[in-house]
Amino acid sequence: DVKVTQSSRYLVKRTGEKVFLECVQDMDHENMFWYRQDPGLGLRLIYFSYDVKMKEKGDIPEGYSVSREKKERFSLILESASTNQTSMYLCASSRGARDGSGELFFGEGSRLTVL
Amino acid sequence: AQSVTQLGSHVSVSEGALVLLRCNYSSSVPPYLFWYVQYPNQGLQLLLKYTSAATLVKGINGFEAEFKKSETSFHLTKPSAHMSDAAEYFCAVSAWGNQFYFGTGTSLTVIP
Repeated sequence: DVKVTQSSRYLVKRTGEKVFLECVQDMDHENMFWYRQDPGLGLRLIYFSYDVKMKEKGDIPEGYSVSREKKERFSLILESASTNQTSMYLCASSRGARDGSGELFFGEGSRLTVL
Repeated sequence: AQSVTQLGSHVSVSEGALVLLRCNYSSSVPPYLFWYVQYPNQGLQLLLKYTSAATLVKGINGFEAEFKKSETSFHLTKPSAHMSDAAEYFCAVSAWGNQFYFGTGTSLTVIP
């Protein structure tokens, strides 16, 4: 069964802490994405990556960075967590077709609370 | 630029009744369209996708959606709601570059 695995389902951090959210996919997908999901706002794209060591800003990259050192792993980093980053974070991957036809496969999500 | 509008953030239906969740998109080019479902505390799961092969698309769990270019719509339907259909539903559009644009979601409640 194909899978996108997010390392932590629930995290509680303090303001100013550095936070790492890890995502691993076993489908050999080229594309990987990080979204945040908030009630009434749907899913908003933070960063995405088309290939190893490549990254592109999404709609809301401020306060976040990413790392993709291996094809199967895409990490989201909050350098200094703030309370407005309390949210559900969803990782997704898709195959490499650039025409947009490849569907996204999602992880279970990581619910982050920043106190 | 692409965008997606889902009409109705909350929809309630009785068990056995028709489910209709509305989605309108705007796209400057022929899009790919998707419906995803999210159960509580889980990630999103693909229900169905439109890729221009056929305007009526059948998905999992008895859902289907019809692409209507003239109305720029991709509404999701199911003839008979089941209690297990209670979830959040998201419509999404993608185009060249693999960027997806999601609607704000519709929460479906099924009343026994």
